Amino acid sequence: QITLKESGPTVVKPTQTLTLTCTFSGFSLSTSEVAVGWVRQPPGKALEWLALIYGDDDKRHSPSLKSRLTITKDTSKNQVVLTMTNMDPVDTATYYCVHRHGSDYSLYGFDYWGQGTLVSVSS
Amino acid sequence: SYVLTQPPSVSVAPGQTARITCGGNNIGSKSVHWYQQKPGQAPVLVVYNDSDRPSGIPERFSGSNSGNTATLTIRRVEAGDEADYYCQVWETSNDWVFGGGTKLTVL
Repeated sequence: QITLKESGPTVVKPTQTLTLTCTFSGFSLSTSEVAVGWVRQPPGKALEWLALIYGDDDKRHSPSLKSRLTITKDTSKNQVVLTMTNMDPVDTATYYCVHRHGSDYSLYGFDYWGQGTLVSVSS
Repeated sequence: SYVLTQPPSVSVAPGQTARITCGGNNIGSKSVHWYQQKPGQAPVLVVYNDSDRPSGIPERFSGSNSGNTATLTIRRVEAGDEADYYCQVWETSNDWVFGGGTKLTVL
């Protein structure tokens, strides 16, 4: 049974760096067939994909946010960490951790999601 | 960037069929995935690869994709189907892209 859970601060100040951790179970992030990533959703708005990392360390980032994002994994701890620099109030959102399988980027969706964590950016 | 266009809202009476569209340039050449999101909950994958259903998703949910439009069809709509629905594709230049979402209201 696959589960994912996000953890991190609920409030960050503008210009600060956000660090979120996804702790997962039920699978191993050790092959090119499995990936963990992040999706966010501002209150009342649509979903936005942020970043994804595969077990072979292939990393993908949203082109619009690439300069601000870093995604890493710790296979021994079953964790994936996302950092986002220079936070702004428009970055206020629920941040979800997601799982996908398959080395073909186009096939299969994000089949498992964490419960999400709301991050507010405010001074 | 690649844009996916969904109608903001769709309304349907219980027992009827709901169709939610997702428009994109030559979307028929891509694999489309659909998510259901109920208030206060995380999204759930309901259709992947245009028309496949994950385990546990009712057969009432189906998908199709051709030309510039993909469609999520929900037959025999129930009150519990009321939710926001999002389409998603992978596109070379932008990786994973979501549509703007459609709110399904069951009358």
